[in-house]
Amino acid sequence: GAGVSQSPRYKVAKRGQDVALRCDPISGHVSLFWYQQALGQGPEFLTYFQNEAQLDKSGLPSDRFFAERPEGSVSTLKIQRTQQEDSAVYLCASSLGHTNNQPQHFGDGTRLSIL
Amino acid sequence: RKEVEQDPGPFNVPEGATVAFNCTYSNSASQSFFWYRQDCRKEPKLLMSVYSSGNEDGRFTAQLNRASQYISLLIRDSKLSDSATYLCVVSSGTYKYIFGTGTRLKVLA
Repeated sequence: GAGVSQSPRYKVAKRGQDVALRCDPISGHVSLFWYQQALGQGPEFLTYFQNEAQLDKSGLPSDRFFAERPEGSVSTLKIQRTQQEDSAVYLCASSLGHTNNQPQHFGDGTRLSIL
Repeated sequence: RKEVEQDPGPFNVPEGATVAFNCTYSNSASQSFFWYRQDCRKEPKLLMSVYSSGNEDGRFTAQLNRASQYISLLIRDSKLSDSATYLCVVSSGTYKYIFGTGTRLKVLA
């Protein structure tokens, strides 16, 4: 497809379960970003990949959060032992280059609800 | 103080009105600025980049004031379809975007 694709669109999990969220960036985009968006707030940066290298994971809230992009295209965000405060929309974005003047293009997001 | 601040609104305006939003940022080293639009339960979409000299795209005008560290978005002749949340984005000399909380706009018939 032409845009950033994320799956699943919705995920409901019980507290303590592990979840995996997938992001398929725009083909050829070098940079990939994960964000967390709480209700009524703007997206908050989680982590950044340039190709397969995770260059910044400073926004990951805890060591329960883990992201990978092993072949420099598809990325997975994994959350272990989920907690209720993990409930949010998780957005993936990609951009063509690796400089900040390249606009980021967002996927639809995964809406995660932890019961 | 948040790095990027916006008035959350909502701004309720009649169709055809002109409305303006401001967004202030705290990092004087910020280099890139954008406005994104986000509809309810949808992803943010790039509305326009903001250039130092100011720029216009149809009914939308964006301006940057580096001295006072704010950017603005002006929407002329508001349409019902302009109803959305407008997110201000600031980036320093890296790849990282800092988003504001967004300003909600409701254009009323």
